[in-house]
Amino acid sequence: AQSVAQPEDQVNVAEGNPLTVKCTYSVSGNPYLFWYVQYPNRGLQFLLKYITGDNLVKGSYGFEAEFNKSQTSFHLKKPSALVSDSALYFCAVRDGFNKFYFGSGTKLNVKP
Amino acid sequence: ETGVTQSPTHLIKTRGQQVTLRCSSQSGHNTVSWYQQALGQGPQFIFQYYREEENGRGNFPPRFSGLQFPNYSSELNVNALELDDSALYLCASSLGVDEEKLFFGSGTQLSVL
Repeated sequence: AQSVAQPEDQVNVAEGNPLTVKCTYSVSGNPYLFWYVQYPNRGLQFLLKYITGDNLVKGSYGFEAEFNKSQTSFHLKKPSALVSDSALYFCAVRDGFNKFYFGSGTKLNVKP
Repeated sequence: ETGVTQSPTHLIKTRGQQVTLRCSSQSGHNTVSWYQQALGQGPQFIFQYYREEENGRGNFPPRFSGLQFPNYSSELNVNALELDDSALYLCASSLGVDEEKLFFGSGTQLSVL
């Protein structure tokens, strides 16, 4: 069975500081991992994906994610946070039938 | 903004009623998936439609059903509404069943009283 876990309900960071939003996964087979972001009253927006290749994946809005097979983690990172990054972030894994399994989400608060 | 539109944006129903939610997929997308997002939770997969056929289903009872039309728009129908059906219902379209990137609509907020 495929699943992801986001251990933090909320992450607080000051503007300009680096941010990390954590995600661990459990999959059978090769992992297809994703990060999506949800702004208030909006649907989810794709940020980035890992299918294969380099462990460091770059995505939209300056975000990147590090795939770590030994730790079964796929943490979202950004070197310098912006207030506008404040949103709800979801980690997801896709199975072989194109069914996505989302984590419970992490609320990111970036304070000026 | 994605090209996926959902209607209505909000809906209030009473227990036992039936509801139909609608989704217009992004131009060129032949695959539509529906997700239920309860308050404080991540989206949960309900089912997927590809070229008018159901192509996978999550752990939802049969009273959750759907349709996809020749123009690839889609409907989600829920019969015999229960209080726990209150949630944000999200539609996502993609270029195909193997396409990794989903384009989500803004959702329909359903409240069951």
